[in-house]
Parts: sequence; structure tokens; C-alpha cells
Amino acid sequence: KQEVTQIPAALSVPEGENLVLNCSFTDSAIYNLQWFRQDPGKGLTSLLLIQSSQREQTSGRLNASLDKSSGRSTLYIAASQPGDSATYLCAVNTGGFKTIFGAGTRLFVKA
Amino acid sequence: DAGVTQSPTHLIKTRGQQVTLRCSPKSGHDTVSWYQQALGQGPQFIFQYYEEEERQRGNFPDRFSGHQFPNYSSELNVNALLLGDSALYLCASSYGTGLTLYEQYFGPGTRLTVT
Repeated sequence: KQEVTQIPAALSVPEGENLVLNCSFTDSAIYNLQWFRQDPGKGLTSLLLIQSSQREQTSGRLNASLDKSSGRSTLYIAASQPGDSATYLCAVNTGGFKTIFGAGTRLFVKA
Repeated sequence: DAGVTQSPTHLIKTRGQQVTLRCSPKSGHDTVSWYQQALGQGPQFIFQYYEEEERQRGNFPDRFSGHQFPNYSSELNVNALLLGDSALYLCASSYGTGLTLYEQYFGPGTRLTVT
């Protein structure tokens, strides 16, 4: 049974810091991994999608890496800003139409 | 492109009642998945619809049922509501299913409160 864990559960950093969010999964047989952002009480916004054959994806100040063999993905946020404050969720697609989410990392960037 | 839309935004129901939530997928998408997100937790997969059929189901009781229409829009029905059904219900759409590697787009969600 696939399980997804995100560490840390919460993070508070000063503006301008570079930071890393971690996601681990128990079954390496995944088709893709997707990182999302969620603002309080809102839906999910897709940030990056990494296919199983890829090692990383980049979008602006965001970079996500994937290491299937170790069951890990990291989301790197460069030069953090107060507007980055949100919950970040990772989700793995194991095929068979099902997506498994982690519980998320709540990020607070202080001005 | 309006993206994924959901209605209503908020809903308050009483225990034992029934509720219907609606979702319209992003243009060009043919697959709709439903998720339940309790406060402070990640979304939990309820089921997915493709070609008007339920393709897979998560660990949810039969009180949760759904439907997909020919225009790919979808409904989620919950019968005999319990207090524990209070959550944010998210709809996600994508193109293709099965082993297709697809990206999901989420709607803003429906906040259901059961009293």
C-alpha cells in the first residue's frame, strides 16, 4: 500500500531564505509525482509535475527533484517571499487511476 | 478557459440528509476524480469517472456515489450524512486514464458542514 509522508509538517522562515520541502513514498512504482500549493480553504494549484522517467522539473523559483529508487522528492523554493506562504502538498500517481497525497507542509514566510 | 468549476461553494446540511455536489471539468478533459479533504489533512481519493463509468474507488462507503454525464461533468452524492462527512470536497479533471501519464487540475472545492 502506497503511503506518502511530508516533512516537516510546518515551517516558518524569514523572507529571502532558500528552503527545501521533502516528500517520501513507500512504493517506488509510480507513474508521476505532482507538487501542489493550497491556500487556506481553497483548491489546489498545480506547481510541478515530474514523470517517472524524469529527474527534475523547474518553474521560476521552484525546482522539484525525483529519486524513485529511494522513494523521495524534494521541492526547492529559492528566495522565498511572503506570498509563498501556503500549504504545499505532494501527490503520487501509482497508475490504476488513483492518486495518493501527503498531509502537506504548512509554510509561513515572514516579511 | 474557465478551468475546473464546482458548485456550490459552501453547504450546510443536517445529519441524515442527502447532498449533491457538482463539477465541470476543464475544457478538453474527459476524466473527473473526487477527493475529500478533512481539516489539516491531505485530500483522500473517493472515486474517478471516465466515459460515464466509475473506474476506481477509494476507501469510502457506498453512501458516497457519483455520476458522469455525456458532457464530462460530474456529480458527487452523499446519503445519510454523518458529522464526519464535514470536509472540503475537491474535484479534479484530467485527460485520459488508465496508464496514461496525466496532470490533474483542481477546482476550488465545496465546503460541506454537517450539523
